[in-house]
Amino acid sequence: AQRVTQPEKLLSVFKGAPVELKCNYSYSGSPELFWYVQYSRQRLQLLLRHISRESIKGFTADLNKGETSFHLKKPFAQEEDSAMYYCALSGGAQKLVFGQGTRLTINP
Amino acid sequence: NAGVTQTPKFQVLKTGQSMTLQCAQDMNHNSMYWYRQDPGMGLRLIYYSASEGTTDKGEVPNGYNVSRLNKREFSLRLESAAPSQTSVYFCASGISQGALQPQHFGDGTRLSIL
Repeated sequence: AQRVTQPEKLLSVFKGAPVELKCNYSYSGSPELFWYVQYSRQRLQLLLRHISRESIKGFTADLNKGETSFHLKKPFAQEEDSAMYYCALSGGAQKLVFGQGTRLTINP
Repeated sequence: NAGVTQTPKFQVLKTGQSMTLQCAQDMNHNSMYWYRQDPGMGLRLIYYSASEGTTDKGEVPNGYNVSRLNKREFSLRLESAAPSQTSVYFCASGISQGALQPQHFGDGTRLSIL
C-alpha cells in the first residue's frame, strides 16, 4: 500500500529562521515524490518534484530512500511562504497519494 | 488560458438532493481527477480517468459517480447527498504517459450538505 505521512499539521517559525516540513512515505518500489503548495485564496500548485532536483522559491527536497523521507527545507523563511503544503507520492499508477498537509505560518 | 475550470464554486444542498460538479480543462491533458479535501485528511482521490473513455475508483468512491464526457470534461455526481460529503472538491488534470507529470488543479467547489 502507498501512504504519505506528514506528522505536523501546523508549523510556525519566525521570518529568517530555517524551515523543514517533514514527509515520510510507504512504498515498496521506486517512488515519484512531489511537494504541492496552496497559498491563501489560490489554487493548489506544484512546488517541486524530486526527479527535477531543483530549488523553487528557495525550497529544496531530497529523497532519502533509506529513511523513506522527502522533507522540504528552506534555509531562511519569508512571510510569503505561509501556506498549506502537501507531500504527494506516485507509485507507478497514474495517480497521486497525498499526505494530510502541513499549514506553515511564518511570523514577522 | 484558463487551465482547469470548476463549476460551481459554492453550493449548499439538503440531504438526499443530487448534484453534478463540472470540470473542464483546456490543456489537452489525457488524465483527469476528482479529490475531496477535508481538515486533517489532506486530499483524497475519489475517482480518476487516465484517458478518455476510462474511469477508475480512487480511495473514497462511495456515494459518487463520474462521467468522462470527452477529453476536456470530467463531471462528478452525488446521487443522494449526505452530510458526510460536505467538503471542498478539487478537479485536476495531467499528462499520464510514462512518468507521472504534475497535476494542474482547479479552484475548488465548496459543498455543504445540510
